[in-house]
Amino acid sequence: AQKVTQAQTEISVVEKEDVTLDCVYETRDTTYYLFWYKQPPSGELVFLIRRNSFDEQNEISGRYSWNFQKSTSSFNFTITASQVVDSAVYFCALSDLFTGNQFYFGTGTSLTVIP
Amino acid sequence: NAGVTQTPKFQVLKTGQSMTLQCAQDMNHEYMSWYRQDPGMGLRLIHYSVGAGITDQGEVPNGYNVSRSTTEDFPLRLLSAAPSQTSVYFCASRPGQVPSGANVLTFGAGSRLTVL
Repeated sequence: AQKVTQAQTEISVVEKEDVTLDCVYETRDTTYYLFWYKQPPSGELVFLIRRNSFDEQNEISGRYSWNFQKSTSSFNFTITASQVVDSAVYFCALSDLFTGNQFYFGTGTSLTVIP
Repeated sequence: NAGVTQTPKFQVLKTGQSMTLQCAQDMNHEYMSWYRQDPGMGLRLIHYSVGAGITDQGEVPNGYNVSRSTTEDFPLRLLSAAPSQTSVYFCASRPGQVPSGANVLTFGAGSRLTVL
């Protein structure tokens, strides 16, 4: 079965702290894609990153970094030196490689950055 | 370039009423889909379409109908609204390039529906 688990429902940090959002997935596919989306208080869903199952290289984009570990089926997201603008709900999602007809989203982690 | 446009943004219905949520995209995307977002449940797929004339069910299709007569439009119909359908609805589309699973979903701004 395809499943994405985001065990952290809500996280609060003080501005400038680092924070890691966890994502654990289950899939029967050997090839797949993983995604992170951000949903700020305004409500829209914004794409952050995608990663294919072939590539376990970590990725860094400014203050954001992602750690993909196939051995533990995890795709964690770290925000360094958090800012108030990072306050949002973050979703991790899984898609099979070839059809991509069904994206499986986690339940989301609500991050609040306190100034 | 408008992207994915959803209307209306807000709607209040009474139990048993019908309505259609509209979704249009101007990116020539082959794939379109509808999700509902409920507290603690994340986003769940209702229906999707891989092209004009082709639709299929997602995880939570009951109570909803869809059709895809054009590439641009993918309306979601509630034939007899129920309080359990109170939710925020998102339309999303993506290109059809292979491999399809690599393509990023682009979301509309959402439609908040309340059924009394």
